[in-house]
Amino acid sequence: GAVVSQHPSWVICKSGTSVKIECRSLDFQATTMFWYRQFPKQSLMLMATSNEGSKATYEQGVEKDKFLINHASLTLSTLTVTSAHPEDSSFYICSARWRVTDTQYFGPGTRLTVL
Amino acid sequence: AQKVTQAQTEISVVEKEDVTLDCVYETRDTTYYLFWYKQPPSGELVFLIRRNSFDEQNEISGRYSWNFQKSTSSFNFTITASQVVDSAVYFCALSDHNYGQNFVFGPGTRLSVLP
Repeated sequence: GAVVSQHPSWVICKSGTSVKIECRSLDFQATTMFWYRQFPKQSLMLMATSNEGSKATYEQGVEKDKFLINHASLTLSTLTVTSAHPEDSSFYICSARWRVTDTQYFGPGTRLTVL
Repeated sequence: AQKVTQAQTEISVVEKEDVTLDCVYETRDTTYYLFWYKQPPSGELVFLIRRNSFDEQNEISGRYSWNFQKSTSSFNFTITASQVVDSAVYFCALSDHNYGQNFVFGPGTRLSVLP
């Protein structure tokens, strides 16, 4: 089946530093990947849609200069949280769309804690 | 705009009881997909089911069953003879037919199955 991985699975960083999260589709090519954020006891909220080879599309209220997304290949998208602050602490989940099955496959998530 | 409502924020049942999780959706699309995901404490989303809007047949998979009623825009999920391992947050989700994009999650229902 289609598998999506994320790295790291958890990260703790100091306020003001940048953190990069990788999302990989392991056995299929994903022209589109999505990044979600989930605060404790809340639902998943779409942050941005990442298309291979083009700029990401951000949802309203998401700062594109703070959450940098790069989708450089058909199997890798990265999310960089720049100058992270404690309020950025959250669970970040990516997903990859596989056109063959017409659905999204979710990664296991990355738990970010900013001190 | 698409919207998913899960009116039950938290449910507690005793093991072996049956439990139904409600999901009501809103969409202007005539073709769409409905999903249920399970999110255990580890955080990883576990795919349970996907249903195309043209397929109103109810589905049963082991102890799980789903009731899709287009007339009431509902896609309810029933767990029969619940077990402690069923304890998790369950999300209902809706996407349009555009290759699984425009994915909207409901707020989730936290199910606690007590021994």
